[in-house]
Amino acid sequence: AQTVTQSQPEMSVQEAETVTLSCTYDTSENNYYLFWYKQPPSRQMILVIRQEAYKQQNATENRFSVNFQKAAKSFSLKISDSQLGDTAMYFCAFMKPLDSNYQLIWGAGTKLIIKP
Amino acid sequence: DADVTQTPRNRITKTGKRIMLECSQTKGHDRMYWYRQDPGLGLRLIYYSFDVKDINKGEISDGYSVSRQAQAKFSLSLESAIPNQTALYFCATSDLRRETQYFGPGTRLLVL
Repeated sequence: AQTVTQSQPEMSVQEAETVTLSCTYDTSENNYYLFWYKQPPSRQMILVIRQEAYKQQNATENRFSVNFQKAAKSFSLKISDSQLGDTAMYFCAFMKPLDSNYQLIWGAGTKLIIKP
Repeated sequence: DADVTQTPRNRITKTGKRIMLECSQTKGHDRMYWYRQDPGLGLRLIYYSFDVKDINKGEISDGYSVSRQAQAKFSLSLESAIPNQTALYFCATSDLRRETQYFGPGTRLLVL
Protein backbone atom coordinates (compact mmCIF):
# COMPACT_ATOMS: atom_id res chain seq x y z
CA ALA A 1 0.00 0.00 0.00
CA GLN A 2 1.10 3.52 -0.71
CA THR A 3 1.98 5.74 2.24
CA VAL A 4 3.00 9.38 2.53
CA THR A 5 5.16 10.65 5.40
CA GLN A 6 5.72 14.24 6.43
CA SER A 7 8.29 14.12 9.19
CA GLN A 8 8.04 17.75 10.31
CA PRO A 9 4.85 18.39 12.31
CA GLU A 10 5.63 22.10 12.64
CA MET A 11 8.14 24.62 11.31
CA SER A 12 8.61 28.33 11.70
CA VAL A 13 10.79 30.80 9.83
CA GLN A 14 11.20 34.54 9.55
CA GLU A 15 9.50 36.40 6.78
CA ALA A 16 11.58 36.55 3.56
CA GLU A 17 13.54 33.41 4.46
CA THR A 18 13.51 30.22 2.43
CA VAL A 19 11.96 27.10 3.93
CA THR A 20 11.86 23.49 2.78
CA LEU A 21 9.14 21.05 3.78
CA SER A 22 9.88 17.35 3.53
CA CYS A 23 7.76 14.55 2.13
CA THR A 24 8.59 10.92 1.46
CA TYR A 25 6.35 8.28 0.00
CA ASP A 26 6.35 4.57 -0.49
CA THR A 27 5.27 2.96 -3.74
CA SER A 28 6.39 0.28 -6.14
CA GLU A 29 4.76 2.03 -9.08
CA ASN A 30 6.53 3.93 -11.81
CA ASN A 31 3.76 6.22 -13.01
CA TYR A 32 2.08 8.48 -10.47
CA TYR A 33 1.43 12.08 -9.45
CA LEU A 34 2.51 14.07 -6.43
CA PHE A 35 0.90 17.19 -5.03
CA TRP A 36 1.39 19.83 -2.39
CA TYR A 37 -1.73 21.44 -0.97
CA LYS A 38 -1.92 24.41 1.37
CA GLN A 39 -4.58 24.83 4.04
CA PRO A 40 -4.56 28.33 5.59
CA PRO A 41 -6.56 29.19 8.71
CA SER A 42 -9.56 29.77 6.46
CA ARG A 43 -9.38 25.92 6.08
CA GLN A 44 -9.71 26.06 2.29
CA MET A 45 -7.58 23.34 0.64
CA ILE A 46 -5.55 25.02 -2.11
CA LEU A 47 -3.38 23.32 -4.71
CA VAL A 48 0.18 24.64 -4.54
CA ILE A 49 2.05 22.50 -7.03
CA ARG A 50 1.79 19.25 -9.00
CA GLN A 51 4.48 16.87 -10.28
CA GLU A 52 4.18 14.01 -12.73
CA ALA A 53 6.55 11.17 -11.86
CA TYR A 54 7.57 10.64 -15.49
CA LYS A 55 8.91 14.20 -15.71
CA GLN A 56 12.48 14.64 -14.55
CA GLN A 57 12.18 18.41 -14.40
CA ASN A 58 11.10 19.76 -11.05
CA ALA A 59 7.83 21.68 -11.04
CA THR A 60 7.83 25.37 -10.11
CA GLU A 61 5.06 27.86 -9.42
CA ASN A 62 6.37 31.34 -8.71
CA ARG A 63 7.99 31.19 -5.25
CA PHE A 64 7.15 27.51 -4.83
CA SER A 65 9.33 24.74 -6.23
CA VAL A 66 9.84 21.07 -5.56
CA ASN A 67 12.83 18.80 -5.33
CA PHE A 68 11.58 15.52 -6.75
CA GLN A 69 13.95 12.61 -6.17
CA LYS A 70 12.23 9.61 -7.69
CA ALA A 71 14.77 6.99 -6.69
CA ALA A 72 14.75 8.23 -3.11
CA LYS A 73 10.94 8.63 -3.16
CA SER A 74 11.29 12.14 -1.87
CA PHE A 75 9.20 15.17 -2.80
CA SER A 76 10.16 18.29 -0.85
CA LEU A 77 8.59 21.73 -1.22
CA LYS A 78 10.73 24.85 -1.19
CA ILE A 79 9.16 28.22 -0.48
CA SER A 80 11.39 31.15 -1.38
CA ASP A 81 11.03 34.68 -0.01
CA SER A 82 8.41 33.47 2.44
CA GLN A 83 5.47 35.76 3.19
CA LEU A 84 3.11 36.05 6.12
CA GLY A 85 0.33 34.71 3.91
CA ASP A 86 2.25 31.48 3.51
CA THR A 87 1.35 30.59 7.12
CA ALA A 88 -0.73 27.40 6.75
CA MET A 89 -0.82 23.65 7.02
CA TYR A 90 0.91 22.04 4.06
CA PHE A 91 -0.08 18.57 2.91
CA CYS A 92 1.80 16.29 0.57
CA ALA A 93 -0.35 13.86 -1.42
CA PHE A 94 0.27 10.92 -3.77
CA MET A 95 -1.93 9.65 -6.57
CA LYS A 96 -1.53 6.48 -8.61
CA PRO A 97 -4.07 7.14 -11.31
CA LEU A 98 -4.70 3.84 -13.05
CA ASP A 99 -5.30 1.27 -10.35
CA SER A 100 -6.32 3.48 -7.45
CA ASN A 101 -9.30 5.13 -9.10
CA TYR A 102 -7.49 8.43 -8.74
CA GLN A 103 -7.52 8.31 -4.97
CA LEU A 104 -5.21 10.73 -3.20
CA ILE A 105 -3.14 9.38 -0.31
CA TRP A 106 -2.33 12.17 2.14
CA GLY A 107 0.43 12.89 4.58
CA ALA A 108 -0.43 14.16 8.06
CA GLY A 109 0.68 17.70 7.23
CA THR A 110 3.28 20.24 8.32
CA LYS A 111 2.21 23.38 10.12
CA LEU A 112 4.25 26.29 8.76
CA ILE A 113 4.40 29.58 10.63
CA ILE A 114 5.94 32.64 9.01
CA LYS A 115 7.03 35.15 11.63
CA PRO A 116 7.20 38.89 10.92
CA ASP B 1 -17.89 33.07 -7.64
CA ALA B 2 -16.29 29.94 -6.19
CA ASP B 3 -15.99 26.97 -8.52
CA VAL B 4 -16.81 24.43 -5.80
CA THR B 5 -19.29 25.38 -3.11
CA GLN B 6 -20.39 23.53 -0.02
CA THR B 7 -23.42 24.10 2.19
CA PRO B 8 -23.65 24.53 5.07
CA ARG B 9 -20.24 25.87 6.11
CA ASN B 10 -20.83 24.94 9.72
CA ARG B 11 -23.34 22.60 11.32
CA ILE B 12 -24.09 21.44 14.84
CA THR B 13 -26.33 18.44 15.23
CA LYS B 14 -27.27 15.85 17.82
CA THR B 15 -26.51 12.16 17.97
CA GLY B 16 -29.01 10.16 15.93
CA LYS B 17 -30.06 12.97 13.63
CA ARG B 18 -29.94 12.66 9.85
CA ILE B 19 -28.08 15.42 8.09
CA MET B 20 -27.08 16.20 4.53
CA LEU B 21 -24.07 18.11 3.29
CA GLU B 22 -24.30 19.48 -0.20
CA CYS B 23 -21.69 20.22 -2.84
CA SER B 24 -22.08 22.05 -6.13
CA GLN B 25 -19.51 22.83 -8.80
CA THR B 26 -19.34 25.01 -11.87
CA LYS B 27 -16.06 23.61 -13.16
CA GLY B 28 -17.78 21.17 -15.50
CA HIS B 29 -15.85 18.25 -14.00
CA ASP B 30 -17.19 14.72 -14.16
CA ARG B 31 -15.54 13.44 -11.01
CA MET B 32 -16.55 14.39 -7.49
CA TYR B 33 -15.28 13.28 -4.09
CA TRP B 34 -16.15 13.53 -0.42
CA TYR B 35 -13.38 13.56 2.19
CA ARG B 36 -13.21 14.03 5.92
CA GLN B 37 -10.37 15.64 7.81
CA ASP B 38 -9.65 15.03 11.47
CA PRO B 39 -7.18 17.04 13.56
CA GLY B 40 -3.58 15.97 12.97
CA LEU B 41 -4.51 13.81 10.01
CA GLY B 42 -4.62 14.19 6.29
CA LEU B 43 -7.82 13.72 4.36
CA ARG B 44 -9.57 10.38 4.08
CA LEU B 45 -11.84 9.47 1.20
CA ILE B 46 -15.46 8.67 2.02
CA TYR B 47 -17.09 8.29 -1.42
CA TYR B 48 -16.36 9.24 -4.98
CA SER B 49 -18.29 9.44 -8.22
CA PHE B 50 -16.95 9.47 -11.76
CA ASP B 51 -20.30 10.35 -13.33
CA VAL B 52 -23.97 10.54 -12.41
CA LYS B 53 -24.44 6.77 -12.61
CA ASP B 54 -21.17 5.83 -10.94
CA ILE B 55 -20.81 5.82 -7.13
CA ASN B 56 -17.93 4.18 -5.30
CA LYS B 57 -17.04 3.65 -1.68
CA GLY B 58 -13.83 5.09 -0.37
CA GLU B 59 -11.69 4.22 2.59
CA ILE B 60 -14.22 5.14 5.30
CA SER B 61 -17.74 4.86 3.88
CA ASP B 62 -19.44 3.21 6.86
CA GLY B 63 -22.09 5.47 8.35
CA TYR B 64 -22.30 7.63 5.23
CA SER B 65 -24.26 7.63 1.99
CA VAL B 66 -24.13 9.82 -1.10
CA SER B 67 -26.30 10.97 -3.95
CA ARG B 68 -25.14 12.33 -7.30
CA GLN B 69 -28.18 14.31 -8.39
CA ALA B 70 -26.55 15.81 -11.45
CA GLN B 71 -23.09 16.26 -12.90
CA ALA B 72 -22.70 19.39 -10.81
CA LYS B 73 -24.16 18.17 -7.50
CA PHE B 74 -22.94 15.56 -5.04
CA SER B 75 -24.49 15.23 -1.58
CA LEU B 76 -23.22 13.43 1.49
CA SER B 77 -25.64 12.13 4.11
CA LEU B 78 -25.13 10.92 7.63
CA GLU B 79 -28.14 8.72 8.27
CA SER B 80 -27.74 8.68 12.05
CA ALA B 81 -24.99 11.01 13.18
CA ILE B 82 -22.61 9.95 15.94
CA PRO B 83 -20.02 12.03 17.82
CA ASN B 84 -17.00 10.44 16.12
CA GLN B 85 -18.30 11.85 12.84
CA THR B 86 -17.36 15.29 14.12
CA ALA B 87 -14.86 16.49 11.52
CA LEU B 88 -14.20 18.86 8.66
CA TYR B 89 -15.77 17.59 5.44
CA PHE B 90 -14.48 18.49 1.99
CA CYS B 91 -15.96 18.07 -1.43
CA ALA B 92 -13.57 17.96 -4.38
CA THR B 93 -13.79 17.71 -8.16
CA SER B 94 -11.45 16.67 -10.92
CA ASP B 95 -11.50 16.14 -14.66
CA LEU B 96 -10.23 13.26 -16.73
CA ARG B 97 -7.25 15.04 -18.25
CA ARG B 98 -5.66 16.84 -15.36
CA GLU B 99 -6.15 14.35 -12.55
CA THR B 100 -5.86 17.25 -10.14
CA GLN B 101 -8.48 17.67 -7.46
CA TYR B 102 -9.98 21.05 -6.59
CA PHE B 103 -11.59 21.49 -3.20
CA GLY B 104 -14.58 23.30 -1.80
CA PRO B 105 -14.29 25.46 1.32
CA GLY B 106 -15.23 22.65 3.71
CA THR B 107 -18.09 22.04 6.13
CA ARG B 108 -17.29 21.88 9.82
CA LEU B 109 -19.63 19.39 11.48
CA LEU B 110 -20.06 18.96 15.23
CA VAL B 111 -22.11 16.03 16.49
CA LEU B 112 -23.13 16.37 20.12
